Amino acid sequence: AQSVSQHNHHVILSEAASLELGCNYSYGGTVNLFWYVQYPGQHLQLLLKYFSGDPLVKGIKGFEAEFIKSKFSFNLRKPSVQWSDTAEYFCAVSGGYNKLIFGAGTRLAVHP
Amino acid sequence: GAVVSQHPSWVICKSGTSVKIECRSLDFQATTMFWYRQFPKQSLMLMATSNEGSKATYEQGVEKDKFLINHASLTLSTLTVTSAHPEDSSFYICSARTAGEGGYTFGSGTRLTVV
Repeated sequence: AQSVSQHNHHVILSEAASLELGCNYSYGGTVNLFWYVQYPGQHLQLLLKYFSGDPLVKGIKGFEAEFIKSKFSFNLRKPSVQWSDTAEYFCAVSGGYNKLIFGAGTRLAVHP
Repeated sequence: GAVVSQHPSWVICKSGTSVKIECRSLDFQATTMFWYRQFPKQSLMLMATSNEGSKATYEQGVEKDKFLINHASLTLSTLTVTSAHPEDSSFYICSARTAGEGGYTFGSGTRLTVV
């Protein structure tokens, strides 16, 4: 069965700081990888996804993620965060049976 | 793009009653839909996979008799919370696998409050 682990449950940064959120997955077959964002009081929004090809994926709002197959990782990065990036971030993996499994989420707070 | 419409967006019901949540794919056919629940400040937990024309596949620990899923057509899946109790209060979200860029399309969710 597939599973997703997000290491950082709560991250606090100042504006302009760099961000990296960890995500590791467990699944023996081919996977599709996703990062979603949920702003306070809002619904899920897709940040980026990896299906195949270039392991460095660029998404919306300046986010990017790198798929490292050997490490079963798909970490999310942003060089310079803004106050508006305050939200909860979910890593998700789709493997067998197309089920999309979410990690526990990382709550990011960016202070001005 | 692919749109999934979920209704109602919120519902309040009394303990012991049943509540039905609908999830419709508006411009595509969804042979498979997924149902999640999200508790406050927590992640989305997959409850079940809804398959058109066949029985749903439930995740471990999810009560099949309590959370009835019906996927009678290629555009409609329903989740019925039977004999609801306050601990069933949660945010329920449906999703469908799509062939488009996003991979998955999510409904806007239903906030269920059982009083």
